[in-house]
Amino acid sequence: EVQLVESGGGLVQPGASLKLSCVASGFTFSDYWMSWVRQTPGKTMEWIGDIKYDGSYTNYAPSLKNRFTISRDNAKSTLYLQMSNVRSEDTATYYCTSDYFDYWGQGVMVTVSS
Amino acid sequence: DVVLTQTPPTLSATIGQSVSISCRSSQSLLDSDGDTYLNWLLQRPGQSPQLLIYSVSNLESGVPNRFSGSGSETDFTLKISGVEAEDLGVYYCMQATHAPLTFGSGTKLEIK
Repeated sequence: EVQLVESGGGLVQPGASLKLSCVASGFTFSDYWMSWVRQTPGKTMEWIGDIKYDGSYTNYAPSLKNRFTISRDNAKSTLYLQMSNVRSEDTATYYCTSDYFDYWGQGVMVTVSS
Repeated sequence: DVVLTQTPPTLSATIGQSVSISCRSSQSLLDSDGDTYLNWLLQRPGQSPQLLIYSVSNLESGVPNRFSGSGSETDFTLKISGVEAEDLGVYYCMQATHAPLTFGSGTKLEIK
């Protein structure tokens, strides 16, 4: 059974940094491009970016490129999202997903507030 | 960025009724490789999104065949032929032809 399990979310102050993790199982993680997608409290979906199966290439939404970094550790079957200088508008549920969008995690909530 | 406009924003249907959701793109989604990367997702209440249809009309494995997708270039449609109770939720179209990938604003399906 395919599983993607995100963690690392919570309440953070504006300007802080946060790193989300997504542990994959049930499929060959190292064969897949992977993406991060977020959903705001108003249910708007936003693609954050993706990473090549070997970690050698990343793409980002231009509006987030300077603050968010995607990485992966194929030995640990884990995808990461490093968020820096977070803002209130980063408050959302963050999902990791395969780049075909056929596998989704359960999501992890991030709330940015002082 | 590509803007995807979904209509209607909400839809109310009885069990067994057939319904359609429209997704219009601000640009053609036909890729240079000949494929059109327009997907449909369903997010049931309290759950993560799930893929229903990929590349306009291809049914994802395990998805009932009452779901179908059609369209080309900028106009796309998701049809549910005979709504069932488990179909309630929010339907999103999304495109992966142009970076950055973008999503429609969603269509909420309610069961009468």
